[in-house]
Amino acid sequence: DAGVIQSPRHEVTEMGQEVTLRCKPISGHDYLFWYRQTMMRGLELLIYFNNNVPIDDSGMPEDRFSAKMPNASFSNLKIQPSEPRDSAVYFCASSLNKNIQYFGAGTRLSVL
Amino acid sequence: GNSVTQMEGPVTLSEEAFLTINCTYTATGYPSLFWYVQYPGEGLQLLLKATKADDKGSNKGFEATYRKETTSFHLEKGSVQVSDSAVYFCALSGTGGSYIPTFGRGTSLIVHP
Repeated sequence: DAGVIQSPRHEVTEMGQEVTLRCKPISGHDYLFWYRQTMMRGLELLIYFNNNVPIDDSGMPEDRFSAKMPNASFSNLKIQPSEPRDSAVYFCASSLNKNIQYFGAGTRLSVL
Repeated sequence: GNSVTQMEGPVTLSEEAFLTINCTYTATGYPSLFWYVQYPGEGLQLLLKATKADDKGSNKGFEATYRKETTSFHLEKGSVQVSDSAVYFCALSGTGGSYIPTFGRGTSLIVHP
């Protein structure tokens, strides 16, 4: 398996623009997680899905953030409008065994 | 709630030195414990795990023992290499009916030749 695939790897955008981050989980995995990593706050869980259904979005910072999982092989995280403080590395992870997570390589987002 | 505390980094060592990265946790019940490693420009990947007290997880020369009495899971390696330079995350899961991991802040390791 190719592992968890995220795109794009790098995104540079201007404040106010919409940003869409994409994730393809490992085939057969039933959990999908979105994380944000910054130097100041470390690794933060934003939202996670089980069988395509959002279970806990309490980590989503604001209404500007939204995430969907229309099917078992795809999820996206949208930020609209984006702000400079959203600059971070965003990771997607998937899991079959609920204890072990498999991470993608991340998307480095810079909002100017 | 659950929490994981790791020693602050960066930890800077010379090649072939002994490594210890401390990790302690607070949790109800009997969690599973993990070490993940993040190499530059990559996502986290599982390094090792232990699921019950006194278990020792090991991989790539790294070891950690689940110590329930001290609520600790310290990571050790006898002889580090430059290629071990990375950020190491301690994590727990499996308590209170939740399998969602709780991660520590991460400890950066820098190994010089």
